[in-house]
Amino acid sequence: EIVMTQSPATLSVSPGERATLSCRASQSVSGNLAWYQQKPGQAPRLLVYAASTRATGIPARFGGSGSGTEFTLTISSLQSEDFAVYYCQQYNKWPAFTFGGGTKVEIK
Amino acid sequence: EVQLVQSGAEVKKSGESLKISCKASGYSFTSYWIGWVRQMPGKGLEWMGIIYPGDSDVRYSPSFQGQVTISADKSISTAYLQWSSLEASDTAIYYCARTPDAMDVWGQGTTVTVSS
Repeated sequence: EIVMTQSPATLSVSPGERATLSCRASQSVSGNLAWYQQKPGQAPRLLVYAASTRATGIPARFGGSGSGTEFTLTISSLQSEDFAVYYCQQYNKWPAFTFGGGTKVEIK
Repeated sequence: EVQLVQSGAEVKKSGESLKISCKASGYSFTSYWIGWVRQMPGKGLEWMGIIYPGDSDVRYSPSFQGQVTISADKSISTAYLQWSSLEASDTAIYYCARTPDAMDVWGQGTTVTVSS
């Protein structure tokens, strides 16, 4: 099973600043990587798929990059509604499309 | 509007059985996989398994194989997740989501509480 490792576990950022979240796979997942945002009490929401393609309705300040085993989600200028937990997920290899442990983005 | 609506919260005792549902609307139910995801209290997301309602092909994560059963009834556009004998450790929120790769549409979640 592919293990997804996210870092840091918690990221403290001031509104308006840039946030960079990392996700590493234990083996190559090619470009089959998605990012999700989850706010308290809500279901996750798809932000990025295929490593760098924004999902429908996702603002341009969210950007994904990477391939193989190293991936990054960048939020260019944090807005108040962006403080949440972010998960990466690989969907390259059956049977388990594993998630990372999450990065909590909190207000500094 | 593409939507997945899950059944309501459940409170059960250890050893009881349970079947929760996920009803799809706004798209062709038989053309997309549906996956199930567990979130234990205060924890992250765990991918459980997936079903293709068109032919009922099911794939399980090794961590959940034999622990749950995933099924679907295409006549009513509904997917299911069931347990034959619940344990306290099954206490969690369970989400369904349209897939099979990135999960683009999610249900609102079903909270399952199991007391011993």
